[in-house]
Amino acid sequence: DSGVTQTPKHLITATGQRVTLRCSPRSGDLSVYWYQQSLDQGLQFLIQYYNGEERAKGNILERFSAQQFPDLHSELNLSSLELGDSALYFCASSVEGHRGRDTQYFGPGTRLTVL
Amino acid sequence: AQSVAQPEDQVNVAEGNPLTVKCTYSVSGNPYLFWYVQYPNRGLQFLLKYITGDNLVKGSYGFEAEFNKSQTSFHLKKPSALVSDSALYFCAVRDMRDSSYKLIFGSGTRLLVRP
Repeated sequence: DSGVTQTPKHLITATGQRVTLRCSPRSGDLSVYWYQQSLDQGLQFLIQYYNGEERAKGNILERFSAQQFPDLHSELNLSSLELGDSALYFCASSVEGHRGRDTQYFGPGTRLTVL
Repeated sequence: AQSVAQPEDQVNVAEGNPLTVKCTYSVSGNPYLFWYVQYPNRGLQFLLKYITGDNLVKGSYGFEAEFNKSQTSFHLKKPSALVSDSALYFCAVRDMRDSSYKLIFGSGTRLLVRP
């Protein structure tokens, strides 16, 4: 168990809908990352938050957004869902106090299925 | 641009034999390198990382990896494979000069250890 929790584990929804994925980082970790794992794109970085502020964006669609709250948990919002958004979404956390040397610890993921 | 290549989609090895899972990388600056393992329906578990220092890195479950700067490689090895090592293995790189600290992942290598 990495100490990173994600809810829900599974999510099934229809095209055009909006969903929210939740992540709680390990105790003491200030940085949260979101990744998407799909069969055709592999594991791709979406977005990073550090202590409540957005730090970096990757291949994140405009329909997707995220935030990190004062208690450091994070939510990834996916809207106007399309079939191609079906994937496994991972959250990872790290301390980020050592100039990039920190290990990112991954949660179990949320499997999103868009029908 | 940063990239990671895992040239083998699958590696097959008999239990008790040594195993190697290959990884090569490309970054502009000096790399931080990581190996993760993913079991079915599970998140990514951290195995080991290279930051600096000794080129041979030892990690969890008896795995080790050798950093070779001239060949830009970071191959994962284990002296004696177990059936329980069967899983999907990901190599990842982080560029020291990238302030986001995001990980760039390879496409993954499926390891199958036969009894």
